[in-house]
Amino acid sequence: EAGVAQSPRYKIIEKRQSVAFWCNPISGHATLYWYQQILGQGPKLLIQFQNNGVVDDSQLPKDRFSAERLKGVDSTLKIQPAKLEDSAVYLCASSQLGGGWNTGELFFGEGSRLTVL
Amino acid sequence: AQSVAQPEDQVNVAEGNPLTVKCTYSVSGNPYLFWYVQYPNRGLQFLLKYITGDNLVKGSYGFEAEFNKSQTSFHLKKPSALVSDSALYFCAVRLYTNAGKSTFGDGTTLTVKP
Repeated sequence: EAGVAQSPRYKIIEKRQSVAFWCNPISGHATLYWYQQILGQGPKLLIQFQNNGVVDDSQLPKDRFSAERLKGVDSTLKIQPAKLEDSAVYLCASSQLGGGWNTGELFFGEGSRLTVL
Repeated sequence: AQSVAQPEDQVNVAEGNPLTVKCTYSVSGNPYLFWYVQYPNRGLQFLLKYITGDNLVKGSYGFEAEFNKSQTSFHLKKPSALVSDSALYFCAVRLYTNAGKSTFGDGTTLTVKP
């Protein structure tokens, strides 16, 4: 079974530039998450999708961050314009529904490391 | 609001000795609890979870964890540590709802010395 795919693995940009990250979850997983992991901290949820609807985006800085999940499969996270404090690893994860109930663990991609100069 | 505390930034043990990585949680309702491991430059990997039932759960690589509702704890344990267990460990909590979000602790670095 293929895992969660993310790209790019590394990105270096200057502040005020824009960047986009792509995620392809495990086939059949209904729920997709974007987490931000700053060095020395645990992952912090940015946005959670179930199929192609947003379940939770309360921690997403909507003035600069946006995310979409077209057709309930792939997802893209965009930052525009980037700030120095956005330097972090952006993790995508997915989980499956069992009998319509989400009890499952998260499966993570390897992450996209963003450095903002 | 839900939260997770991992009180130790670093745990050091000798190979062959038992290890414990501590986790306490706060959630309004029944929790799902998880442990994940992260190796350098990699994403997080699932180790084990508590949903309901037996308070002692067993997971990958010989790890186990004990759910203690009265102490709101979910400590990770292993009877005999290996050097290859050295990594960053995260505890996570989810509310017992269909679309609950997972909240992670800040991680504990486990170092196992030969």
